[in-house]
Amino acid sequence: DGGITQSPKYLFRKEGQNVTLSCEQNLNHDAMYWYRQDPGQGLRLIYYSQIVNDFQKGDIAEGYSVSREKKESFPLTVTSAQKNPTAFYLCASNTGTGGMVREGQPQHFGDGTRLSIL
Amino acid sequence: QKEVEQNSGPLSVPEGAIASLNCTYSDRGSQSFFWYRQYSGKSPELIMSIYSNGDKEDGRFTAQLNKASQYVSLLIRDSQPSDSATYLCAFRLGGGGNKLTFGTGTQLKVEL
Repeated sequence: DGGITQSPKYLFRKEGQNVTLSCEQNLNHDAMYWYRQDPGQGLRLIYYSQIVNDFQKGDIAEGYSVSREKKESFPLTVTSAQKNPTAFYLCASNTGTGGMVREGQPQHFGDGTRLSIL
Repeated sequence: QKEVEQNSGPLSVPEGAIASLNCTYSDRGSQSFFWYRQYSGKSPELIMSIYSNGDKEDGRFTAQLNKASQYVSLLIRDSQPSDSATYLCAFRLGGGGNKLTFGTGTQLKVEL
């Protein structure tokens, strides 16, 4: 079945450690996104990528890094510079044409990764 | 002014009633609007999308968009306990831009 796979489901980070969250999609979508959700809050955009080998900062990019070497994959690294990483991380994707998204094309989400500090 | 405003709730309705969820937005350039449902501990799932003024119906769900007044609403008819969740509204600016802006969500509780 086509979809977006995030792994791991739960992740624990030690002080000073970088951790990487995986996001893979087999929907042939051009655009991929990373969001952070804190309890009782909406989604805040961390990074997004409209096409392979290109990505842009979202609203809260500090302390995070991404890469987009393959269309199917958009991993997110939470670095030690992110002092408050505990949150629910969601990856999303949608279709597009030449890197641009057609009007009305919704984003579809993976099941998420819960990150906590040890 | 926040870009997207939703009443956080909880909004409680009896089973079988109509639940009305509202969302206002500040950017007049917004073109596409989406309603997502999020169960506790789960990821959001798309319920409705709308980008023309008026109503759009899908089963028990009706999305309403009024661009002049800058609001979008979601009506859920014959509410069921399984509809109990947080409903997030989101919008995208026109021009093919990719980013969605999300509201903080309204918690809906459907009571037996």
